[in-house]
Amino acid sequence: ETGVTQTPRHLVMGMTNKKSLKCEQHLGHNAMYWYKQSAKKPLELMFVYSLEERVENNSVPSRFSPECPNSSHLFLHLHTLQPEDSALYLCASSPRDSDHEQYFGPGTRLTVT
Amino acid sequence: GQSLEQPSEVTAVEGAIVQINCTYQTSGFYGLSWYQQHDGGAPTFLSYNALDGLEETGRFSSFLSRSDSYGYLLLQELQMKDSASYFCAVRSDTGGFKTIFGAGTRLFVKA
Repeated sequence: ETGVTQTPRHLVMGMTNKKSLKCEQHLGHNAMYWYKQSAKKPLELMFVYSLEERVENNSVPSRFSPECPNSSHLFLHLHTLQPEDSALYLCASSPRDSDHEQYFGPGTRLTVT
Repeated sequence: GQSLEQPSEVTAVEGAIVQINCTYQTSGFYGLSWYQQHDGGAPTFLSYNALDGLEETGRFSSFLSRSDSYGYLLLQELQMKDSASYFCAVRSDTGGFKTIFGAGTRLFVKA
């Protein structure tokens, strides 16, 4: 595997479900990011981890819970989501001091029913 | 706060040149990045300008004017495969580096 991978690629979940999104980077980077991408809106930065420590939480609702067990892996745990949370969730990584050049995974298309 | 503005859509003809503008407002400005995203694909990094002037990478060039809080992405010899969304992103240092993305410009290349 190369680059940044994300699983699953597509996810449909009910509002009472609990699921997790997984991201893995094979680039030797030490910063990782979660973004939400909705149609016709800017990429919304959700969380930033640098050296496995959360350094940014952009007022994200607590129904989204990130986890970074090591510098190569990033999870986004989801529970009791709302239909407006349906979006493309993108993971990215970069060297810690080069956040201007981020490498993105293919994303998880999430639909909340 | 921080804000970026770029046109929502641009249409151009194959073989032509197109310029996608980006204006920004931010404190602690450090640099401007550009990303390309094809439908169904991931954003991919194109360029980064920290200093004023033009940076050229093949058919793509990126320009920055810090005094005007303005930059642009220039695409030359347009090809059909250049049809995609293009995002500018501002990197700022407000007690820690942070990159904020614009809403994106949808480029349609016609034959």
